[in-house]
Amino acid sequence: EAQLLESGGGLVQPGGSLRLSCAASGYTFIRYAMSWVRQTPGKGLEWVSGISGPGSTTYYADSVKGRFTISRDNSKNTLFLQMNSLRAEDTALYYCARDEPSAAGSWYIGLWGRGTPVTVSS
Amino acid sequence: SYELTQPPSVSVSPGQTARITCSQDALPKKYVTWYQQRSGQAPVLVIYDDIKRPSGIPERFSGSSSGTMATLTVSGAQVDDEADYYCYSTDSSGNHRVFGAGTKLTVL
Repeated sequence: EAQLLESGGGLVQPGGSLRLSCAASGYTFIRYAMSWVRQTPGKGLEWVSGISGPGSTTYYADSVKGRFTISRDNSKNTLFLQMNSLRAEDTALYYCARDEPSAAGSWYIGLWGRGTPVTVSS
Repeated sequence: SYELTQPPSVSVSPGQTARITCSQDALPKKYVTWYQQRSGQAPVLVIYDDIKRPSGIPERFSGSSSGTMATLTVSGAQVDDEADYYCYSTDSSGNHRVFGAGTKLTVL
């Protein structure tokens, strides 16, 4: 069974850094693009960043561009999100997600982790 | 920036049909995905490519699309269908993904 397990969340001061990890299992990791999605407490979902299967192409939401870096280690089936210059508004539950290509040529998230919480506060 | 617009809430009685809309603010229209999220849980895929239903999702969930508007229909809504529903798509470049703000479906 395919699974995603996030780790690395916690409490960090404004301006600080944090590195999230996502361990994938039960499928061929390199074959799938991956994304990070976050959810502010009591609010909606926000796509944060995406990366291609080989890791050669990355994408970022404007809200995190220049501060966050997505990467992956396909030899260890692990996805990362390096978060720098953290702000209070980055406080959220961060989900690791597997992108699925559809026959129609679109993309959707077909597998979600349970999320890891990040709190940015002094 | 690219946006998807959903109504904040939809309310129906059990057995009635609930319709949740998702409006894209730009052309060309992109395929829409729908997620159900119950309180305290990760999202669950219910519709992709506007109209396709993954295995394991009840037939009462269906999707449709017309112009720049996608619609999630829950026919014969049940109390168990109470959740937040999010639409999801890509911008015109295909490189950035966007969620709608979510619609709270109440069945009572």
